[in-house]
Amino acid sequence: AQTVTQSQPEMSVQEAETVTLSCTYDTSESDYYLFWYKQPPSRQMILVIRQEAYKQQNATENRFSVNFQKAAKSFSLKISDSQLGDAAMYFCAGGSSNTGKLIFGQGTTLQVKP
Amino acid sequence: ETGVTQSPTHLIKTRGQQVTLRCSSQSGHNTVSWYQQALGQGPQFIFQYYREEENGRGNFPPRFSGLQFPNYSSELNVNALELDDSALYLCASSLQGPNYGYTFGSGTRLTVV
Repeated sequence: AQTVTQSQPEMSVQEAETVTLSCTYDTSESDYYLFWYKQPPSRQMILVIRQEAYKQQNATENRFSVNFQKAAKSFSLKISDSQLGDAAMYFCAGGSSNTGKLIFGQGTTLQVKP
Repeated sequence: ETGVTQSPTHLIKTRGQQVTLRCSSQSGHNTVSWYQQALGQGPQFIFQYYREEENGRGNFPPRFSGLQFPNYSSELNVNALELDDSALYLCASSLQGPNYGYTFGSGTRLTVV
């Protein structure tokens, strides 16, 4: 069975500071992919960053980067220079190319303080 | 522009009724998935369609069914609605395959009373 766990229901960060959101996963699939999605109040799920679980190199997209620890099955998201527009619910998700379905964590609500 | 549009945005139904939710993907998005997201929770996978055939299903009863059409639009049908079916229903499609992540629509908020 595949599981994705986010242990931080809420996080808060000061504008321009850095924050890290945690995620752990468990799967027996070899061809596995990991994602961070952002869901603002508009409800649309927006892809922030993706990581191929068979690659050790950490993915980076502008101010967003991941710390991928394969052995620990940890996939945390680091947001640098936080902006007010980053405030949203963040979901970690994992998926296998075999099934295509995504397994989502419980989400972390990020508050950005001016 | 997201490329994935869902209708309606909000819907109120009575317990026992049937509902059809619609999703329109960008041309070429041959994979579409539906998710149910309860308030304050992560989305739960309902099922996936690839080239008009269901090729994956989550832990949902048969009264949840779907269709995918040649024009890449799709439907989610729910029969015999229950109060617990109240949720946000998200449609997600992929052009390059699930490995690259899905593009999600803004969802349909279904309330069952």
